[in-house]
Amino acid sequence: AQSVAQPEDQVNVAEGNPLTVKCTYSVSGNPYLFWYVQYPNRGLQFLLKYITGDNLVKGSYGFEAEFNKSQTSFHLKKPSALVSDSALYFCAVRDYGGATNKLIFGTGTLLAVQP
Amino acid sequence: NAGVTQTPKFQVLKTGQSMTLQCAQDMNHNSMYWYRQDPGMGLRLIYYSASEGTTDKGEVPNGYNVSRLNKREFSLRLESAAPSQTSVYFCASSGPGQGFPPTSYEQYFGPGTRLTVT
Repeated sequence: AQSVAQPEDQVNVAEGNPLTVKCTYSVSGNPYLFWYVQYPNRGLQFLLKYITGDNLVKGSYGFEAEFNKSQTSFHLKKPSALVSDSALYFCAVRDYGGATNKLIFGTGTLLAVQP
Repeated sequence: NAGVTQTPKFQVLKTGQSMTLQCAQDMNHNSMYWYRQDPGMGLRLIYYSASEGTTDKGEVPNGYNVSRLNKREFSLRLESAAPSQTSVYFCASSGPGQGFPPTSYEQYFGPGTRLTVT
């Protein structure tokens, strides 16, 4: 069965420093991986995805993610954090069962950026 | 484009009452989904609809029913609400992506409905 794990409930980083939010996955085939962000009292917003191709994927708001097949990881990164990046981040993997684009979500990582 | 819209935004029910959560999308997506979000548990899939006319159970379907009214609309019904159904409910949709090569797999989410059952 497909799954994703986000090992950190919370990540704290100072504004201007680089940030990393970790995600590892377990799939039976080629992984389709996604990152979403959720601001307080809002729905989830799509940030970026890896389907195939370049291992470094660039997305919205200056975020990028690195796909590492040998380590089964898909960590979200940003070179310089902003206070406005503070939010809940979810990693997700496509579920191969059925004829639709079901996603399996991690439990989320709260990113807190201190000024 | 409004994207995915949900009504209502907030709702308080008493145990045993029923209600229907409405969802609509204007992106001509084939697939639609209902999730619930609870602290520490991420998002859990309740029901989904791969295409108009089909619905299937997700991870936590008990106590819920759904209707795919047409391609745009997908409603979630609580027949007899219980306190365990207190949660934030999100609707999502995704575009054509069936078959190969894939065209789009990401889902787009509505703003959510915060439901409290007392």
